Amino acid sequence: DAGVIQSPRHEVTEMGQEVTLRCKPISGHNSLFWYRQTMMRGLELLIYFNNNVPIDDSGMPEDRFSAKMPNASFSTLKIQPSEPRDSAVYFCASSPPSNHGYTFGSGTRLTVV
Amino acid sequence: AQSVAQPEDQVNVAEGNPLTVKCTYSVSGNPYLFWYVQYPNRGLQFLLKYITGDNLVKGSYGFEAEFNKSQTSFHLKKPSALVSDSALYFCAVSPPTGNQFYFGTGTSLTVIP
Repeated sequence: DAGVIQSPRHEVTEMGQEVTLRCKPISGHNSLFWYRQTMMRGLELLIYFNNNVPIDDSGMPEDRFSAKMPNASFSTLKIQPSEPRDSAVYFCASSPPSNHGYTFGSGTRLTVV
Repeated sequence: AQSVAQPEDQVNVAEGNPLTVKCTYSVSGNPYLFWYVQYPNRGLQFLLKYITGDNLVKGSYGFEAEFNKSQTSFHLKKPSALVSDSALYFCAVSPPTGNQFYFGTGTSLTVIP
């Protein structure tokens, strides 16, 4: 199993540009989570999906952020327009129905200049 | 409300000495408890979990943790620390129903040669 796959690993973009982060969960996992990690705020849950349906998006900071999960093997997190304060590492994680643990991807380090 | 507390932002220990990273939790019902480790520029990796059964659970890299229901704690321990154990450690709790995790703020462990 290749684990949770995130792309790109690094993204540098200019303020105002659209950014799309991608995640492929582990096959058979039915829950998917997007987290953001910064030095100031630590690890924050942005949104999570269960069986491709968004369950809790209360952590999404603003309307500039949106997430989709069109099928069980793919999810995107989009920021439009991006701002320098969005700079962070964004992690995707997935978990199986048993809820016995998350598996995290390697993260996308986003820098908005 | 569900929550996890890691009271120490930083723990320093000499190589070869025992280490403890503390975690307390607040959750309804019987919780699922987890420890994750994050090495620099990497995603979070699963270390160990408590679901049910023996209060002492053993995990990867020689780590163990003890579930103490009366003290609502799940401290991470290792009998003899290695320099390579230096990393950021996260405690997480999940209620038995639902699949959302609640992470602590993380404890940075430094093992001094």
